Amino acid sequence: EVQLVESGGGLVQPGGSLRLSCAASGFTFSSYWMTWVRQAPGKGLEWVANIKQDGSEKYFVDSVKGRFTISRDNARNSLYLQMNSLRAEDTAVYYCARDPVFGSGWSYYFDYWGQGILVTVSS
Amino acid sequence: DIQMTQSPSTLSASVGDRVTITCRASQYISSWLAWYQQKPGKAPKLLIYKASSLESGVPSRFSGSGSGTEFTLTISSLQPDDFATYYCQQYNGYPRTFGQGTKVEIE
Repeated sequence: EVQLVESGGGLVQPGGSLRLSCAASGFTFSSYWMTWVRQAPGKGLEWVANIKQDGSEKYFVDSVKGRFTISRDNARNSLYLQMNSLRAEDTAVYYCARDPVFGSGWSYYFDYWGQGILVTVSS
Repeated sequence: DIQMTQSPSTLSASVGDRVTITCRASQYISSWLAWYQQKPGKAPKLLIYKASSLESGVPSRFSGSGSGTEFTLTISSLQPDDFATYYCQQYNGYPRTFGQGTKVEIE
């Protein structure tokens, strides 16, 4: 059974940093693109970033470029999101999600999602 | 960026109704579109991919159609479990973008 479990969320002050983790199990993690999607309270879904199987390609939404970094450790079956210079508008539930295609050179949609982790940026 | 616009934003319907949600892309995206269902406090669930392909395990009352810039999600006979918010998402270009969501409420 595919499982994605996020951790590392919490309350952080504006300008602070936080590192989210996503532990994957039930599939060959190293063979799939992985993605972070967020949802501000009461708002819609926003794609944040994704990373190719070997980490050689990474893409970000403009609003987080230069502040967020995405990485993965295939030996540990883990995905990460390092968030620096956090702003109030980064407050959201953050989901990690898996692409559906094994070994694909392209990222598509998302067939499995974690339960989400809340990040609150406030003083 | 490719903007995705859903209509309506809210839809009131009754059990058994046929429901249609529209998603328009600001530029051509071929059939690179997915639909998700989200219930309060839960992660989104994939319903449809490549505009019209039904994800495994999703009831056949859900269907998708369209290509290019205009797409629809149809629920042929609304069931109690279908009251939720629905999102479209394009995967033709970066950044990936979602529609703003359509909330299906009980009439």
